[in-house]
Amino acid sequence: DQQVKQNSPSLSVQEGRISILNCDYTNSMFDYFLWYKKYPAEGPTFLISISSIKDKNEDGRFTVFLNKSAKHLSLHIVPSQPGDSAVYFCAAKAGGGNKLTFGTGTQLKVEL
Amino acid sequence: ETGVTQSPTHLIKTRGQQVTLRCSSQSGHNTVSWYQQALGQGPQFIFQYYREEENGRGNFPPRFSGLQFPNYSSELNVNALELDDSALYLCASSVNREFGYTFGSGTRLTVV
Repeated sequence: DQQVKQNSPSLSVQEGRISILNCDYTNSMFDYFLWYKKYPAEGPTFLISISSIKDKNEDGRFTVFLNKSAKHLSLHIVPSQPGDSAVYFCAAKAGGGNKLTFGTGTQLKVEL
Repeated sequence: ETGVTQSPTHLIKTRGQQVTLRCSSQSGHNTVSWYQQALGQGPQFIFQYYREEENGRGNFPPRFSGLQFPNYSSELNVNALELDDSALYLCASSVNREFGYTFGSGTRLTVV
């Protein structure tokens, strides 16, 4: 049972344009969402998060949007840079729980 | 400030053997979580240790066990290895069970 889904395994974007990565979830108990970036041979690196009481959180070039009614969140990267090429994981957490539930990841490639 | 370090980086074991993976948490972090990432999947929560006690467990059999030491470093032990245990094992540390996890680079385990 995949509670966090990233339906696009890969995404290719030109440098300078917007990258939009999508994530859907099924568990209505999730109330905190995170995005991680992962380069090959490295562990996931925290990017940005959002609480369910908000619908938007922004940090520099990265913005996360949350649509609770649709159980959908998205990560926008503007402008995209070649160094952003990596696998992006969406993760979710429920209440005071201690585990993160991850999606399967989206491979982003930013081309020159 | 050192990050999360894991050892070894790569390991090959035979089916039925036992393995111990090690993790040194980031300085000041007292919580360690372990995740298994199979090829093409997102990380799956194995368990978490807080102040040397197991503090939550995912859907993994008892042959997956762990320890946390007074210096907050941790071990993951897997007995009776199966081929499906081949994966990247990630350790993540945080402060007081909060979700700002810092991940290590992982141990790539191959079971043959």
